[in-house]
Order: sequence, then structure tokens, then C-alpha cells
Amino acid sequence: QSALTQPPSVSGSPGQSVTVSCTGTANDVGYYNRVSWYKQPPGAAPKLIIYEVTNRPSGVPDRFSGSKSGNTASLTISGLQPEDEADYYCCSYTNDNTLVFGGGTKVTVL
Amino acid sequence: QLQLQESGPGLVKPSETLSLTCSVSGAFISSNSYYWGWIRQPPGKGLEWIGHFYYGGNTYYNPSLKSRVTISVDTSKNHFSLKLSSLTASDTAVYYCASPGYSSSWWPDFWGQGTLVTVSS
Repeated sequence: QSALTQPPSVSGSPGQSVTVSCTGTANDVGYYNRVSWYKQPPGAAPKLIIYEVTNRPSGVPDRFSGSKSGNTASLTISGLQPEDEADYYCCSYTNDNTLVFGGGTKVTVL
Repeated sequence: QLQLQESGPGLVKPSETLSLTCSVSGAFISSNSYYWGWIRQPPGKGLEWIGHFYYGGNTYYNPSLKSRVTISVDTSKNHFSLKLSSLTASDTAVYYCASPGYSSSWWPDFWGQGTLVTVSS
């Protein structure tokens, strides 16, 4: 079971948009819509921000959006805010009922 | 509201077995169809899924840890446990318990605060 591939870091200025990619295989990311995204501030537990590729839980700002094409999922943060600076992780439920996470991406607000 | 709380030793010796417990409140493990699981995060590194179980159903483990991991449940105390054997320094991590918290969902939505376990002599 290999970790999903994410870029180590992305950055943008306030108000800009940034996109974090998450690449897996046909057995995980490419398998139905089983991709979720988490935001993790330093020293805190991860918090769900996207589930089933595109859905936002209640209370998550609509500047966070998700998409998927083939074996690659993406998280886009539009109108970047200082409070968006954190680590972001993708997660997928695989076709053999296991979970796999991405390596994480540090989003920096310049 | 589902709440999860990890407990266990903060320091364990190499070659020993780690035992952690996740106490559940706001729901009964035995009366829900979603899974209950463990995830860990070494200092400064990413998240790693350890394993999860469905009450009355199957248990699934990360293949890289499968030979050393056991997840069990005690419904009388409404908690579940993790045992990880043959510890090495690379098992030093924050250990989280997590669950979807909703029927028919697979994404871990509810997380404990995490507990740091250090493997050192």
C-alpha cells in the first residue's frame, strides 16, 4: 500500500487561488468517489473539509472545493486567507476496504 | 455528538508492546454500522492508517503493520483498543483514533485529540 502523492508545498498570496493535487491509482483515488481532504493546523488533529471528492461538511467555507479526474484528485482554495495556512492531506478508501493517505502538503500564505 | 478520547502510556521501550485505548461517547460501538479505527503520525511527518474494524464484521490492517497489530473492542466499556508489538523508534508517533460517525460513510470525520507515544529506552 503506497501513500498517495501530494506536492510537499504550495503557496499563494492572500486572495489568490491555490490547488493541491493528490495522485493515486485505479484501486484508490480512481475507485468511485472515495476521496476526502483534511486540514491540519500545527499541533491539532486533522479536520475534515471535503468528502466524496466534492462535498463540504457544514461550516466549511465555500472557498474550499474538490474535484477529480481519473486517478488524480484536487483541492482548490479560492480567495486564500491567512487562516488557511496549514498542512492538507488527501485520503482515499481503497477497493480492498483499506484507507490510504497522501504525504501531506504545506500551504503557505505569503 | 460523537467524541473519541485516546489513552495510554506516553513512553514505551523498544521491543515492547504498545497498548492504547479509545473511549467512545455519544454513540455505542455495538449499535452502529460504521468503522472504528486508528491512524498515526510520526513527528513532522504525514498520516498513516493503521487499521479499522466494523463491529460484528471484518477488521482491516495496513499491510505494512499487519504482522504486529491487533485491534479489539470491549463493548461493556464502549471502547476499543490498539496493540502494536515489537516496537522500534520508528513507531514514535501521535496516535489518533477515528471514525466516520455516520452510517454508510467511509471518511474519518470524528477524531480523538491524539496521544504522543515515544519509543525509547
